[in-house]
Amino acid sequence: SQTIHQWPATLVQPVGSPLSLECTVEGTSNPNLYWYRQAAGRGLQLLFYSVGIGQISSEVPQNLSASRPQDRQFILSSKKLLLSDSGFYLCAWGTNRVGQPQHFGDGTRLSIL
Amino acid sequence: DQQVKQNSPSLSVQEGRISILNCDYTNSMFDYFLWYKKYPAEGPTFLISISSIKDKNEDGRFTVFLNKSAKHLSLHIVPSQPGDSAVYFCAASAQAAGNKLTFGGGTRVLVKP
Repeated sequence: SQTIHQWPATLVQPVGSPLSLECTVEGTSNPNLYWYRQAAGRGLQLLFYSVGIGQISSEVPQNLSASRPQDRQFILSSKKLLLSDSGFYLCAWGTNRVGQPQHFGDGTRLSIL
Repeated sequence: DQQVKQNSPSLSVQEGRISILNCDYTNSMFDYFLWYKKYPAEGPTFLISISSIKDKNEDGRFTVFLNKSAKHLSLHIVPSQPGDSAVYFCAASAQAAGNKLTFGGGTRVLVKP
């Protein structure tokens, strides 16, 4: 069966520090991979998605970037964090098949001080 | 521009009764609709979906209804159980847009014993 792992579960970072969140998927090959952010009391906003190694699409302009160095690895990064980067970050995997759901990791709670 | 809206931020229901969650959308290109359930500090888990060519899909206690002409869908949970207390997200995808999910803002459900 497929599993998705995200780490760390929580992270407290000072403003201006760098960020690296990692997500890995097991049990499937060539998945679509996604990074979402949930701000407090809000829905899930798609930040990035990837259909293959090295292929990244950005959905919203922001202070973050994403990379996919391996088929089942997706990384969310920032060179300098802003206060507005606080939130709950979720990684998900899916397929290209119509109507198939995406499956989410347990998320990372990021607090910027 | 919110393409998927859940206008009720919260819902309280007695155990054993029906929970009805509503969702409206504006993009007529959406062809699949999904409901996710989310507990605090966890990622969303997939509940049930419906294709735009159907008007009803049922899975155990969960039924989703789709009214395409009104661009409206609803999730019915019968009977509601205390373990159903969570935040529920409506999401929509369009094959033409690569099956990316657009989420509503969520509805927090509290099932009272």
